Amino acid sequence: EVQLVQSGAEVKKPGESLKISCKGSGYSFTSYWIGWVRQMPGKGLEWMGIIYPGDSDTRYSPSFQGQVTISADKSISTAYLQWSSLKASDTAMYYCARLEGAPAEWWFDPWGQGTLVTVSS
Amino acid sequence: QPVLTQPPSASASLGASVTLTCTLSSGYSNYKVDWYQQRPGKGPRFVMRVGTGGIVGSKGDGIPDRFSVLGSGLNRYLTIKNIQEEDESDYHCGADHGSGSNFVSVVFGGGTKLTVL
Repeated sequence: EVQLVQSGAEVKKPGESLKISCKGSGYSFTSYWIGWVRQMPGKGLEWMGIIYPGDSDTRYSPSFQGQVTISADKSISTAYLQWSSLKASDTAMYYCARLEGAPAEWWFDPWGQGTLVTVSS
Repeated sequence: QPVLTQPPSASASLGASVTLTCTLSSGYSNYKVDWYQQRPGKGPRFVMRVGTGGIVGSKGDGIPDRFSVLGSGLNRYLTIKNIQEEDESDYHCGADHGSGSNFVSVVFGGGTKLTVL
């Protein structure tokens, strides 16, 4: 079974750093792009960026470029999303998902269970 | 890039049918759209992809036959027949935007909250 399992909920203070993870199993982790999606409380989905674990090729949404860093460690089939200095406005649920299909014809399937990040002083 | 517009809410009675709409912005009538279901407190799951010719590819794992799609002009529709309690969810549409075969971005609509009465 293809599965993405994300790290647990985090509570942080503004200015702190954070790295959350997404571990893939049941498929060749290096052969599929992984995407990150933000969902702020009560809001819709926002695409943040994607990474190809095979060679770490990474693309960012202009809205998130410079705000977060996406990386992957193919030796442990894990993708990461990190912040160097969190803001209260980063409070959200973050999902990872595998990209199926061909470039510019992708869809997200499956999705991880989500990681809730709360940033509060 | 395209903008996807969804009505914020919809409702239907148990056993009835409902059609949810995702509207592409002008100039993107050839785009395919993906539907995702998000049950309360859960992550999204892929339902199916729709183009102007209807479903593209296969449904997502475990998606019942009660779910179907159609596409016309700028609109992409998800119809649910014989609605069950477990269908009460947020439904999001998304589209992969590219230049030729080069990926550029992913866009999502605002989501429609479906209430089962």
